[in-house]
Amino acid sequence: AQSVAQPEDQVNVAEGNPLTVKCTYSVSGNPYLFWYVQYPNRGLQFLLKYITGDNLVKGSYGFEAEFNKSQTSFHLKKPSALVSDSALYFCAVRDMVRNFNKFYFGSGTKLNVKP
Amino acid sequence: DVKVTQSSRYLVKRTGEKVFLECVQDMDHENMFWYRQDPGLGLRLIYFSYDVKMKEKGDIPEGYSVSREKKERFSLILESASTNQTSMYLCASSVAPSGQLYWEAFFGQGTRLTVV
Repeated sequence: AQSVAQPEDQVNVAEGNPLTVKCTYSVSGNPYLFWYVQYPNRGLQFLLKYITGDNLVKGSYGFEAEFNKSQTSFHLKKPSALVSDSALYFCAVRDMVRNFNKFYFGSGTKLNVKP
Repeated sequence: DVKVTQSSRYLVKRTGEKVFLECVQDMDHENMFWYRQDPGLGLRLIYFSYDVKMKEKGDIPEGYSVSREKKERFSLILESASTNQTSMYLCASSVAPSGQLYWEAFFGQGTRLTVV
């Protein structure tokens, strides 16, 4: 079965410091991975995706993610955190084996960036 | 830009009421989804539709039904609302991927439903 795991419920970081939000995946076949961000009482906004190619993927708002096949990880990173980055972050995988219409989401990680 | 619009941001309904949550997308996407979001549980798929009048159950379909009479509109129906259906409901749409494009799903702003 396809699944993603976000091992941290919450990540705290000081403004200006680098941030990492972790995600590991378990898939049959090639992984198609995504990061989304959710601000309070809003829908999910797409940040970036890994389909194929370079292991370092760049996305919106200065975020990037590193795909690591040997560690089955897809961690979200940003070199310098902003207070406005505080939000809920979701990792997701698209099921391209049994049903390509389905996306599986992690439980979410709350990022707190303190001034 | 893709726009997915949910008809209500906040709803309060009484136990036993029939509740309709509406979702409209403007990008001619084949696939539409309804998710439920609860703290610590992430997003759980209720139903999805891959074409007009076509639907498939997701992971938690019990107590819900859906309707897709037109390609742009996907409705979630709570036949008899219960307090354990109090949640954030998210609609999304997507298309079949083409090369490096169109892999992601696009979300509406969410409907926070409270059943009292």
